[in-house]
Amino acid sequence: AQTVTQSQPEMSVQEAETVTLSCTYDTSENNYYLFWYKQPPSRQMILVIRQEAYKQQNATENRFSVNFQKAAKSFSLKISDSQLGDTAMYFCAFALDSNYQLIWGAGTKLIIKP
Amino acid sequence: DTGVSQDPRHKITKRGQNVTFRCDPISEHNRLYWYRQTLGQGPEFLTYFQNEAQLEKSRLLSDRFSAERPKGSFSTLEIQRTEQGDSAMYLCASSSPPGRLAGGPPKGEQFFGPGTRLTVL
Repeated sequence: AQTVTQSQPEMSVQEAETVTLSCTYDTSENNYYLFWYKQPPSRQMILVIRQEAYKQQNATENRFSVNFQKAAKSFSLKISDSQLGDTAMYFCAFALDSNYQLIWGAGTKLIIKP
Repeated sequence: DTGVSQDPRHKITKRGQNVTFRCDPISEHNRLYWYRQTLGQGPEFLTYFQNEAQLEKSRLLSDRFSAERPKGSFSTLEIQRTEQGDSAMYLCASSSPPGRLAGGPPKGEQFFGPGTRLTVL
């Protein structure tokens, strides 16, 4: 069975700083996807970034980038130049290529302070 | 607005009552997923449909829970004889089938609705 672990329940940084959120996962499969989703307070879940396991190059989306270490089964999210609007719960999620069901971590509450 | 919609947004009910939630997916998506999210936790998979076929159900989905997608468009999730432990946010998501067009980006990204928050008193 697949599992996803986020070991940081809550983090806070000052606006404009860089912050890294950690995620580890466990699987014996080879073909899968990893995701970071953002859930702002009282708002819906939004995909931030996606990584395909077969790709060695780390995904980037504007201020968001990942550090994907397949052998270590680690998938961290780096947010550069953090903004107040980045305040949200961040969830790491895993999906097998075969069925695409999302398996989620418990989340990290990120607070950006002005 | 062509996003995923859910109705109602909030539901308060008494223990033992039945409740039904509705999800309208993005129109061109043929996959529809239901998740449950309790406070402070990540979502947990409940079930998913491809068109009108229910392809998989989690063991979390007890016999008090039933989901339908009769015409392959909107879906309903019914909880019978609600219990206080059913209090949670129920999330719906839709997607195109996973896969990849030759040389193209991967498909299958799930788009989420705003959720239905259920409180069982």
